[in-house]
Amino acid sequence: TQLLEQSPQFLSIQEGENLTVYCNSSSVFSSLQWYRQEPGEGPVLLVTVVTGGEVKKLKRLTFQFGDARKDSSLHITAAQPGDTGLYLCAGAAYNFNKFYFGSGTKLNVKP
Amino acid sequence: ETGVTQTPRHLVMGMTNKKSLKCEQHLGHNAMYWYKQSAKKPLELMFVYNFKEQTENNSVPSRFSPECPNSSHLFLHLHTLQPEDSALYLCASSQAGGGNTIYFGEGSWLTVV
Repeated sequence: TQLLEQSPQFLSIQEGENLTVYCNSSSVFSSLQWYRQEPGEGPVLLVTVVTGGEVKKLKRLTFQFGDARKDSSLHITAAQPGDTGLYLCAGAAYNFNKFYFGSGTKLNVKP
Repeated sequence: ETGVTQTPRHLVMGMTNKKSLKCEQHLGHNAMYWYKQSAKKPLELMFVYNFKEQTENNSVPSRFSPECPNSSHLFLHLHTLQPEDSALYLCASSQAGGGNTIYFGEGSWLTVV
């Protein structure tokens, strides 16, 4: 079983639509990262959220860390084909360098 | 440019070959990792090194042999691999200790024929 559950697993939408990806756990994390990965490439860090309730914006992407530091969401406004990729969340443990990854959300934005 | 560089980016090897993957990080981190990513599977942690010492081996077969000569370099030596070992191998680094961020390299695509 995955410590971090991501949903949905797959998402295919039209350009211009909005979407939200969720990352949920019953465990508390020190911080949580979101990555975007293209086929055959390594995951690229988008954001790290640290404080419970924190909201960070990166252009059309909005990231939120849950108040209890157990979950997070990624919202994309007006999706573009360039947003296509695999989105991964990762929770960082408090006391040692251990990271728990979700299984990913594969996003396809059609022109 | 993530600060973590992997070479080669692509590798095709026969089952009897010996090859190595190389990783170098320029972020001043003291922890390095090898992950395996296969199609339709989540990221699988293979090895963790903290301050050059191996602190985690996630039941990886001995045909994969890691080496960490210093905090900036990490190798994965490959010997008598199987076709099912074909995957994207990702190197990553972070600061040791809790609450940090992990950064990935571009990955090495390995095909075993």
